[in-house]
Amino acid sequence: DTAVSQTPKYLVTQMGNDKSIKCEQNLGHDTMYWYKQDSKKFLKIMFSYNNKELIINETVPNRFSPKSPDKAHLNLHINSLELGDSAVYFCASSSGLRKETQYFGPGTRLLVL
Amino acid sequence: QQQVKQSPQSLIVQKGGISIINCAYENTAFDYFPWYQQFPGKGPALLIAIRPDVSEKKEGRFTISFNKSAKQFSLHIMDSQPGDSATYFCAATGGATNKLIFGTGTLLAVQP
Repeated sequence: DTAVSQTPKYLVTQMGNDKSIKCEQNLGHDTMYWYKQDSKKFLKIMFSYNNKELIINETVPNRFSPKSPDKAHLNLHINSLELGDSAVYFCASSSGLRKETQYFGPGTRLLVL
Repeated sequence: QQQVKQSPQSLIVQKGGISIINCAYENTAFDYFPWYQQFPGKGPALLIAIRPDVSEKKEGRFTISFNKSAKQFSLHIMDSQPGDSATYFCAATGGATNKLIFGTGTLLAVQP
């Protein structure tokens, strides 16, 4: 059983396009996250939702818009994609507001051409 | 003060050797220090974690050593195996912060 799943696994698109990445967790967790991992492997948190409420919103261009329809899902929509958006995007989840044990999804590899 | 500094950036160890990765932090309010392991093409996975009330935690071949006064903690991998080859991230959280602060990662290669 997959704990945290993401779709799609790979995404290749042109500059200027709009794309979405979906995340689902079946762990019963109430907190979900989006991370960006760049080419140097640096992990940077982008957003976090607790019970569908946005609780972390790092300095991210407003072209990135998260949406949490329910506790088990967190989607990421990106408008007007730029070359610098190319990265691996990870969804994660945890239980409770303490951000301790986070369970990561397999990642979505985004390449903007 | 929110940073976690990790070294080395990369590490090559012979099979059976000891791998040591070091991290340092500034924020004394941090009270939870996990290590994550990431294999190529996969998401990071929690490996082992420690709280500052103990100086060492061991799980199998993996040990965290914690020095609260120096604000440093390290991961030791005993009897390193080729299957341990991965990127390792230290992290910290606690106090007013509501997020995990990750180190920059260490790429470990264990040669057979």
